[in-house]
Amino acid sequence: GNSVTQMEGPVTLSEEAFLTINCTYTATGYPSLFWYVQYPGEGLQLLLKATKADDKGSNKGFEATYRKETTSFHLEKGSVQVSDSAVYFCALSDRIDQAGTALIFGKGTTLSVSS
Amino acid sequence: DTEVTQTPKHLVMGMTNKKSLKCEQHMGHRAMYWYKQKAKKPPELMFVYSYEKLSINESVPSRFSPECPNSSLLNLHLHALQPEDSALYLCASRSETGGNSPLHFGNGTRLTVT
Repeated sequence: GNSVTQMEGPVTLSEEAFLTINCTYTATGYPSLFWYVQYPGEGLQLLLKATKADDKGSNKGFEATYRKETTSFHLEKGSVQVSDSAVYFCALSDRIDQAGTALIFGKGTTLSVSS
Repeated sequence: DTEVTQTPKHLVMGMTNKKSLKCEQHMGHRAMYWYKQKAKKPPELMFVYSYEKLSINESVPSRFSPECPNSSLLNLHLHALQPEDSALYLCASRSETGGNSPLHFGNGTRLTVT
């Protein structure tokens, strides 16, 4: 079945460092891909998305490009801030049955940024 | 601010109690979801409602009983839970039942079963 694999971390960076969190997927067809962020004590917030190959999603300085040839959707940010400390989940939209679709999540990557 | 509202934020219940979790959205979304999230783990799908009908039940034990009274509301009725059911329960909605639009999540109900 469809699945998502992401680096588990934790990732520890200093403020203004460059961030990369790797995500690869296995899927039949061409699912939409998402990055969600979860701050302590909160639900998941959509960070960015891409719906087809070569699409680049971007938001709040974060970017990810849908790479069909490498089945990847790596998350990057040029200069992280302390406020970016959170858990990041890569996800794909998976058709569960005839009735509908749901998100399948990677295991999550904890990012800790220090000043 | 989240557009999906979950109540209560926290719930402590004994193994013989009956309680309900509530979820509400007013975005006109036609698909609604329950996910369960254990500490330091990703969310796991429990149930999916499409147009107020249960479309997906991911082999969840019968002590969890979902209900969708109308297109804006989603409930999760809890009965005879076990301590291992303690987790964050997340509700989400989506504008379409199929397709690839994103899910919008609430902030969750943190459930503790004693």
